[in-house]
Formats: sequence, C-alpha cells, structure tokens
Amino acid sequence: QQQVKQSPQSLIVQKGGISIINCAYENTAFDYFPWYQQFPGKGPALLIAIRPDVSEKKEGRFTISFNKSAKQFSLHIMDSQPGDSATYFCAASRGGNNRKLIWGLGTSLAVNP
Amino acid sequence: GAVVSQHPSWVICKSGTSVKIECRSLDFQATTMFWYRQFPKQSLMLMATSNEGSKATYEQGVEKDKFLINHASLTLSTLTVTSAHPEDSSFYICSARDLERLSSYEQYFGPGTRLTVT
Repeated sequence: QQQVKQSPQSLIVQKGGISIINCAYENTAFDYFPWYQQFPGKGPALLIAIRPDVSEKKEGRFTISFNKSAKQFSLHIMDSQPGDSATYFCAASRGGNNRKLIWGLGTSLAVNP
Repeated sequence: GAVVSQHPSWVICKSGTSVKIECRSLDFQATTMFWYRQFPKQSLMLMATSNEGSKATYEQGVEKDKFLINHASLTLSTLTVTSAHPEDSSFYICSARDLERLSSYEQYFGPGTRLTVT
C-alpha cells in the first residue's frame, strides 16, 4: 500500500511557467512533509519542507501548499527554468522509527526553454 | 554545513565478491543514518536504519546477512554488500540526521554510490 501517492509521474512545462506536483498521504500521524530534488546520478537534496501547523510555506520560487483536512500537499515551482529539470520526490515522516521517510514515487519534470 | 560524503562514488565488482561503501558526516555528528537503494527511474527504497553503537534495523524483505551495516562512530556508517550478484547492481544512497538538530527532522543525503556487479 502506497502511503504517499504522488502525481503526475511526469510533467513538461514551458520556461517561465508554473510547475505543480501533488501528493496525498494516508497516515494522519505524519507531521513532517519535505520535498526533495534529485538530478541524475546524484543524491536527493532537500528543497523545502512543511509541518501541519501551517498551510503554506514559500522559499524563493518554491512553495508548499498543505491541506490537512484533505491529507494533501503540493509543490509549486514559479517561473520554472530549464535548470529545474529534475526528478522531484515528496515524502512524509512521523515521530518514532527514527523519523524514517516514506517516499512518493517521484515526478520527472522537464522545463522546455 | 551538513555535508554527507560517500565513498566510492562508483564501483564495479565481480559476481561473488564483497564491496564496502562508506558514508561519512563531514561537519556534524550523525545519531542516525539511513541506507537506501534506488533503481533507475524509481523512488528511493529504504534498506535499513542504523544508530551509532547499535545493530541496524532492516526493512522487511532486505537480507541483513547480505547487506551488512556497521555504524561504528557518530560520523561513519558502512554498508557491505556480501557475495554480490548482478541483481545487486543499483544506486546506493545514505542519509544522516544531525544529533544537534533532531528537532528539524531533516535528513542530509550523500551523493550516492553506483554499484555495478559483472
């Protein structure tokens, strides 16, 4: 059972456009929701993370929107650039179990110049 | 800050041999380290969680006798793939949590190690 469901699997956006990736989770005990960016052949890097006490967090061009009642959160990339082309993963964790992350399946983003 | 390194970055070994991958936290002490494997175009799959000085906790379906994990210090964890076979070829990634920043919940990831078994 996929505890964190991510969509779409792939996304193509024009330069300057908005990229939106969505995730939904099952476990209401999750209390930490990070987004990671991964380039081919590299380890993932934390982009931005949110906790359920806020509905939105913005860092530069990246924004997380969080809907606790719907158990959904999304990543918005404003003014998308070709350099943003990468795979994006959402994840979730809860207390205990050393805070291990439960991962979405990933979204491959391509930003056309 | 919060840099995690892995060594080697890539390794090729013959079937039946063992290979060791190191994961180091360079500028912080890691209370907990995680080992993942990732197949092409797939998500990260957690293999095991290790705490310094304790036995690793393996995820269901991961052979603990095949994937030996040692977390001997607060800055070093090793993954040894024993009697490697071609199906063990994958991208192995470690991550670590900062002992002094546990409240941030963040995991810091290494650059990964590409293992190819011939």
